[in-house]
Amino acid sequence: NAGVTQTPKFRVLKTGQSMTLLCAQDMNHEYMYWYRQDPGMGLRLIHYSVGEGTTAKGEVPDGYNVSRLKKQNFLLGLESAAPSQTSVYFCASKTPGQGHYEQYFGPGTRLTVT
Amino acid sequence: KNQVEQSPQSLIILEGKNCTLQCNYTVSPFSNLRWYKQDTGRGPVSLTIMTFSENTKSNGRYTATLDADTKQSSLHITASQLSDSASYICVVSAIGGGGNKLTFGTGTQLKVEL
Repeated sequence: NAGVTQTPKFRVLKTGQSMTLLCAQDMNHEYMYWYRQDPGMGLRLIHYSVGEGTTAKGEVPDGYNVSRLKKQNFLLGLESAAPSQTSVYFCASKTPGQGHYEQYFGPGTRLTVT
Repeated sequence: KNQVEQSPQSLIILEGKNCTLQCNYTVSPFSNLRWYKQDTGRGPVSLTIMTFSENTKSNGRYTATLDADTKQSSLHITASQLSDSASYICVVSAIGGGGNKLTFGTGTQLKVEL
């Protein structure tokens, strides 16, 4: 099993450009998440999905859109990139519910917006 | 506002020595607490998960403790190795939201030296 994979690993964008980050998981998890990690701050939730065809806003959703057309994939889109979106983006997935269900993280995508 | 605070911010120890990392939280209502290890350039990997009724959980040389009354947790690393060099993140989950309400600490950066 590859677990959670993310594409691309690195990307440099100019202000105003658009791009899509792809997350794929092969663990048959219902829930998937997109986070951003910035220096000196904890991971912050951008959007999440509790199943195919459903998405919800997290803590910092502005400037991002997501889609979950297939259970194994979760896409994060930036329509018009801004320097404030320079960050490391992590995707995660988990089994539904509370308790001892951990989130499995991908390796991250480092995005720089100039 | 839910918060997770970790100390120290960074720590340097010699290989073979023990160390203890601290986590204080104000997340309510409390569901569970997790410790993650994040190697440089990688995604976080779960070390332990503890619910309200658990006050100790071990994973090899890693032992986590939880005091739900004082809202404190610690991660003790025994006989440190160079490979323990990483950021250790405390994550607290609140009840509700299907396990999606996570609050992340900013991490303790540990460096193990020869």
